[in-house]
Amino acid sequence: QKEVEQDPGPLSVPEGAIVSLNCTYSNSAFQYFMWYRQYSRKGPELLMYTYSSGNKEDGRFTAQVDKSSKYISLFIRDSQPSDSATYLCAMRAGPNDMRFGAGTRLTVKP
Amino acid sequence: ETGVTQTPRHLVMGMTNKKSLKCEQHLGHNAMYWYKQSAKKPLELMFVYNFKEQTENNSVPSRFSPECPNSSHLFLHLHTLQPEDSALYLCASSQPTGGFDTGELFFGEGSRLTVL
Repeated sequence: QKEVEQDPGPLSVPEGAIVSLNCTYSNSAFQYFMWYRQYSRKGPELLMYTYSSGNKEDGRFTAQVDKSSKYISLFIRDSQPSDSATYLCAMRAGPNDMRFGAGTRLTVKP
Repeated sequence: ETGVTQTPRHLVMGMTNKKSLKCEQHLGHNAMYWYKQSAKKPLELMFVYNFKEQTENNSVPSRFSPECPNSSHLFLHLHTLQPEDSALYLCASSQPTGGFDTGELFFGEGSRLTVL
């Protein structure tokens, strides 16, 4: 079993749609959960961060963590063509042990 | 210059060549990383340096040799690579405190390596 599982897609939605991206994980020691966004020919950039379980909202983006199910989600409301990118979930237990999912490639069509 | 810069952006090499990838960070961070990114696979952590000392080596083949002369510079020396080593190699830096923080990684744009 992979430590972090993420469906690589690709996922294509019309502009304005609600997007749901998900990851599951196996290591119960993970405490810090992140979503990175990677545009084409760029490095990943931190988008959202959550510590332990719960929800966090930032504009059109909502990150959810369910530690009991070992499941994290990122929701994008009113998706825009500029949201087209690869979204990578990431998580860690200690300071240097960040683990990533495979990334989901999202295209938002005008 | 700001952030994390990587050179070269693209590299094509034969299996018998020797080349190096360079990374420089201007963020004052103490930790630097090499990651390998292949299509539809998770980012693979290769090496971690904290205060110039290598603290993690994830069973990476010896044909990849890292070097960290100071906290701002990181190299990845490449020798007798295989075609399956073709990938995007990402450098990152962070300022880990061990406390309640994100441990956010700041990535460069990557070096796209093709091994013929």
